[in-house]
Amino acid sequence: GQQVMQIPQYQHVQEGEDFTTYCNSSTTLSNIQWYKQRPGGHPVFLIQLVKSGEVKKQKRLTFQFGEAKKNSSLHITATQTTDVGTYFCAGGANAGNMLTFGGGTRLMVKP
Amino acid sequence: DVKVTQSSRYLVKRTGEKVFLECVQDMDHENMFWYRQDPGLGLRLIYFSYDVKMKEKGDIPEGYSVSREKKERFSLILESASTNQTSMYLCASSPGHTGVSTDTQYFGPGTRLTVL
Repeated sequence: GQQVMQIPQYQHVQEGEDFTTYCNSSTTLSNIQWYKQRPGGHPVFLIQLVKSGEVKKQKRLTFQFGEAKKNSSLHITATQTTDVGTYFCAGGANAGNMLTFGGGTRLMVKP
Repeated sequence: DVKVTQSSRYLVKRTGEKVFLECVQDMDHENMFWYRQDPGLGLRLIYFSYDVKMKEKGDIPEGYSVSREKKERFSLILESASTNQTSMYLCASSPGHTGVSTDTQYFGPGTRLTVL
């Protein structure tokens, strides 16, 4: 079945440093979604990418979808303590209603 | 705002007990999902439902069953709880109108289940 791998599993950064998490799928995806889970909270939708090569920005966050629609990345510029949490990518298959979630990257930011 | 609620935030049960986890959504969503979340393993899909009385197995259905008698409610059942089912359980829903997996999923707050 479809597998979605996400690296790194953990990342410690100093406040102000940049951060990137990478997501790779074993199959071509119809779309990729990104979610953020704050400590003690539940995953909350951030963004969805659908087109090959698509790039979207949300303030300091930049999301990319690969040309082959098998990989994606989330880059945070100049991290802040409010960025702390676990970031999940989730890949949608070309049929069906399911998403396959990556293992998540837990971001810790030192003030 | 979409609201997904789960019956308990924390639950402690004994091995062999039957456990019911309830999930309710208030946005008339077609699809509902049950995941378990374990450190390092991310979110793994247990079961999902795309309509009342319909269910599909996810990646890890063994030891679980589900029930969807009404559109807004999706129940996860552990017939005989075991210690390896200690985990965080997350319910989610999505609109389902597109018919493909482009729907955003909305998550409930989670139930942390401990089986002793």
